[in-house]
Amino acid sequence: EAQVTQNPRYLITVTGKKLTVTCSQNMNHEYMSWYRQDPGLGLRQIYYSMNVEVTDKGDVPEGYKVSRKEKRNFPLILESPSPNQTSLYFCASSLNPPLEQYFGPGTRLTVT
Amino acid sequence: GENVEQHPSTLSVQEGDSAVIKCTYSDSASNYFPWYKQELGKRPQLIIDIRSNVGEKKDQRIAVTLNKTAKHFSLHITETQPEDSAVYFCAASNNAGNMLTFGGGTRLMVKP
Repeated sequence: EAQVTQNPRYLITVTGKKLTVTCSQNMNHEYMSWYRQDPGLGLRQIYYSMNVEVTDKGDVPEGYKVSRKEKRNFPLILESPSPNQTSLYFCASSLNPPLEQYFGPGTRLTVT
Repeated sequence: GENVEQHPSTLSVQEGDSAVIKCTYSDSASNYFPWYKQELGKRPQLIIDIRSNVGEKKDQRIAVTLNKTAKHFSLHITETQPEDSAVYFCAASNNAGNMLTFGGGTRLMVKP
C-alpha cells in the first residue's frame, strides 16, 4: 500500500530536549516536505527536499533541521524545542512537485 | 514570498445547497492551485487542482475557477452532503514549483 508514515504520532516533551520526528514514504517520490499546522494559519512549509542530499528552507525554518540521506526518509529534527513549536506536524511527498502531495498522518507535538 | 488569503473561515450550509470558498494570492508567477480537504483528525487530501493555463475545472460536484488577472481562485461544491463537512485549504505554488503556500482554511459544516 502506497503511504507516508510518521513517528511518533503524539509527543509531549520539555523545553530544550532534542527530538526527532521520522517520516518515510514507499512511493519512490523524490520530493518530500514538512509542514506545521496551527489554527487559523493553515499549513506552513518548514523545509523541503527535491532529492537525496538536496534540502531547502520553507517559510518557517527557524528552530528546525532536516536531513535526506535516503530517498524514502526525511526526518525533522528539533535540537532545542521551545513552547512555540507546539503544533501539528505533517510530512508530505510528491512524485512531481508541487503536484499531488501525499500527506502523512500527522504528529501532534506539545512542548512544555 | 507568496501570500494566500482564504475566505470565509467558517461556512455553514444546508444539505443540498451550494458552497463557495474563495482565495486570493499575491505572486503573479504562481502557476498551480490545489485544494485540499481535511476531515477531523485526518490528514489533508487533494480533492482538485488547477493550473494557470486553465480557467475552470470540474470533477462531479466539485469545481474550481481561476481568474489570473484578479489573482483569485474559488472552490465550488454543489449539492452538498453531510460528508462534505471538513476543513478545506487552498494553496498556490511558487514559480519554481517546489513550494506550496496555503490559505488559513475554511471549516465547512453541512447541516442535514
